[in-house]
Order: sequence, then C-alpha cells, then structure tokens
Amino acid sequence: NAGVMQNPRHLVRRRGQEARLRCSPMKGHSHVYWYRQLPEEGLKFMVYLQKENIIDESGMPKERFSAEFPKEGPSILRIQQVVRGDSAAYFCASSQGLFNYEQYFGPGTRLTVT
Amino acid sequence: KNQVEQSPQSLIILEGKNCTLQCNYTVSPFSNLRWYKQDTGRGPVSLTIMTFSENTKSNGRYTATLDADTKQSSLHITASQLSDSASYICVVSTPGGSNYKLTFGKGTLLTVNP
Repeated sequence: NAGVMQNPRHLVRRRGQEARLRCSPMKGHSHVYWYRQLPEEGLKFMVYLQKENIIDESGMPKERFSAEFPKEGPSILRIQQVVRGDSAAYFCASSQGLFNYEQYFGPGTRLTVT
Repeated sequence: KNQVEQSPQSLIILEGKNCTLQCNYTVSPFSNLRWYKQDTGRGPVSLTIMTFSENTKSNGRYTATLDADTKQSSLHITASQLSDSASYICVVSTPGGSNYKLTFGKGTLLTVNP
C-alpha cells in the first residue's frame, strides 16, 4: 500500500510565477490536509479537504492560495504570483476518517522562490 | 506565542545512550498528544498518540509520558541508534469538530553520534 505521494519534491519558481503542488492520498483515504513549514518553524495547518469539498481553509492565506480535491485525481495546492515569503516545505497528509484518525504525511514539496 | 513549546531545541548524544525530550503545551481544551519523528527531507511519522486519560505509551525504544494536569509530556528514547537522528515533534489536537487541526511544536533536533 503506497503511502501519501507528493510531487514535485522540489520546485523552483521565480517571483510572480504560479506554483502547483500535487498530493495523492493513501488508498482508501478521502480526507486530505495541507500544512506549511517555514524555515525554523513548526508545521502550520492550511486547509482540510474531502473529495470535491473544502471543509476548512482557515489556515490558508486569503489571497493567491487555493486548494482543490477533485472527484478524480490528486489534491492540488495552487499558489499564484509567488513571493519570496512563500518559500517553504509544503506537506500533505491524509486520513481514513475525521475524528481521532491518524494523519499520514507525504514527503513534502520544497518550494523555493527566487 | 506558540502553544506547543519543546526543549531542548537540539541535542547531541552518543550511540547507545538514553535521552529525554520535553514538551509543554497551552492548547486548551486538549484531545490528544502525539509525538512524531521527522527525518531530514521527509514527512513526519507518528510514534505515539495519547489521549488526555493516558499517562504513558510505548513504541519499541520510544516511551512517551503525559501529565495533563501540568500540560507536560516527555519522550524517552532508550539505547539510541544512529538512525534515531531526526527532529522529534510534539503535536496537540483539540477535541470536537476541529480535532483534525494539529498544533505542532518546532521540534527537538536529535543527533546521535557513533
């Protein structure tokens, strides 16, 4: 059973470009979470999605950031017009259910904005 | 102010020695406390999960303790191995509808030297 997959593992973008980060949850998992880890900081919750629904996006910046989890295919975290401050590691996690279910993390995508 | 504080920030020990990592949290109310291991360049992997009613939980050479009254937890590693070199992260979740929102500490970076 493959774990949570994220790609790309490393992404370099110039300021103003768009970044698309993909996450495929573990088989049988329908709950996806995105976290951001800034340098020297702990992981911070961004958004929680189920298939075709955004459940909680309270941790996501209001502008330039969006997330989706379509009926088919991976979850996508999209950052438009990236700035240097977006440079971070972005982790995706998935779980089988909601309450007290373990979240399994992917290896992360390291975004560098030049 | 971070609601999950860990100490020390970093620790260097010799292979075979034991060590104890500390976690103080102010997250309230509190549902469960987890310890994760994060290898460099990888996603966090769960070591233990404890609810507020549990005092101790073991996973091989890892033993976590929890004092919900003082809001303190510790992770004890016995007979350390080189592969234990990683960041150890204390994570707290709140009960109810938002218990998927994990609050992460910044981690303790453990280096095990031969």
